[in-house]
Amino acid sequence: GAGVSQSPRYKVTKRGQDVALRCDPISGHVSLYWYRQALGQGPEFLTYFNYEAQQDKSGLPNDRFSAERPEGSISTLTIQRTEQRDSAMYRCASSPFGNPSGNTIYFGEGSWLTVV
Amino acid sequence: GIQVEQSPPDLILQEGANSTLRCNFSDSVNNLQWFHQNPWGQLINLFYIPSGTKQNGRLSATTVATERYSLLYISSSQTTDSGVYFCAVDDGGSNYKLTFGKGTLLTVNP
Repeated sequence: GAGVSQSPRYKVTKRGQDVALRCDPISGHVSLYWYRQALGQGPEFLTYFNYEAQQDKSGLPNDRFSAERPEGSISTLTIQRTEQRDSAMYRCASSPFGNPSGNTIYFGEGSWLTVV
Repeated sequence: GIQVEQSPPDLILQEGANSTLRCNFSDSVNNLQWFHQNPWGQLINLFYIPSGTKQNGRLSATTVATERYSLLYISSSQTTDSGVYFCAVDDGGSNYKLTFGKGTLLTVNP
């Protein structure tokens, strides 16, 4: 696609429910990232994929959070047993090459998650 | 991890005015990018600029890597320039993990 596409754009869920957020990166982009952005803050790194390999998940807050990119394209971020503190915007990004340093990174419009 | 400080936190301008936004970082970097988050939440890359100077229309950026700061210049500001400007740098030994500053909220009034 022309840009990084995320769905759903807005999600309201009840505490304790699982949610899955989808990211469709720019076609052909090797690197894919997930970031989380709280209101009034900059994005914070969650995890990084190089093709289908999850090379860094150090930013995932706890084991309720997981991500996958099974075919090296579309990625899903899953949050199990959601809590109110998980409410935030979740942004996906992609960049063209496997060595992202020096690459422009392109962000999607984000998925707003509200846990009630 | 690396620290990124942006100033000023807020800035209000009249249309047509010029402005300078600053980003200080605490360690050497290989990657520095400026982003604009518009009022609709889109986060748009403006510049990849780990060193040197770049210009794109009314926007330009300069990074002095040896002194660990970067400046974003906006000339002849327009209401569409409103939003939050973020500086982001790579985090130490990682070449893929960006650390963002808290941003500068710019409001351009007509």
